[in-house]
Amino acid sequence: EPEVTQTPSHQVTQMGQEVILRCVPISNHLYFYWYRQILGQKVEFLVSFYNNEISEKSEIFDDQFSVERPDGSNFTLKIRSTKLEDSAMYFCASSEFYRGTDTQYFGPGTRLTVL
Amino acid sequence: TQLLEQSPQFLSIQEGENLTVYCNSSSVFSSLQWYRQEPGEGPVLLVTVVTGGEVKKLKRLTFQFGDARKDSSLHITAAQPGDTGLYLCAGAPKAAGNKLTFGGGTRVLVKP
Repeated sequence: EPEVTQTPSHQVTQMGQEVILRCVPISNHLYFYWYRQILGQKVEFLVSFYNNEISEKSEIFDDQFSVERPDGSNFTLKIRSTKLEDSAMYFCASSEFYRGTDTQYFGPGTRLTVL
Repeated sequence: TQLLEQSPQFLSIQEGENLTVYCNSSSVFSSLQWYRQEPGEGPVLLVTVVTGGEVKKLKRLTFQFGDARKDSSLHITAAQPGDTGLYLCAGAPKAAGNKLTFGGGTRVLVKP
């Protein structure tokens, strides 16, 4: 069964460093998302992406964050200058369409630890 | 801001008992998706409910979407230790777009 994959599974970085989290969405899906989950808290929406453009973003997704689809299969989330509070699980998701009735399928996540 | 409240936050039962998890909001959703999440892993989809009043069954799990599409429930019949985990509901807003709002989760422990 097709699935969303993410790399790395765990990333440790120093505060102020740039990190890039990578995702390979399900191959026939056109819409991609990033969510994060701080330990012990709810899963929170960060951004949705379609056709090489951001469709929607949350207040969390400030200028320090960017997303890109550098080729036909990868979808990346870049954090330019990491802060301690960026430590969280980051989940990539994809869906075939962008309607409210469409299911999103999640990857296994990348645990980001900022020291 | 649309909120989803799940209850209870934690549920501990004996194997063979039934349980119900609730997901409530004051907002209308286009759909509600139920996921199960293991520690350190991503949410794994269980079901998507779309139509008000819809009932879906997945083996011993029964999912219902409220008539007004503001709430949903997950009922597990004859729970097994393998049902232990964190159950999350997530709703997509009625307006166009597919940003999911997640509930806080219900942690279920089924003791043998």
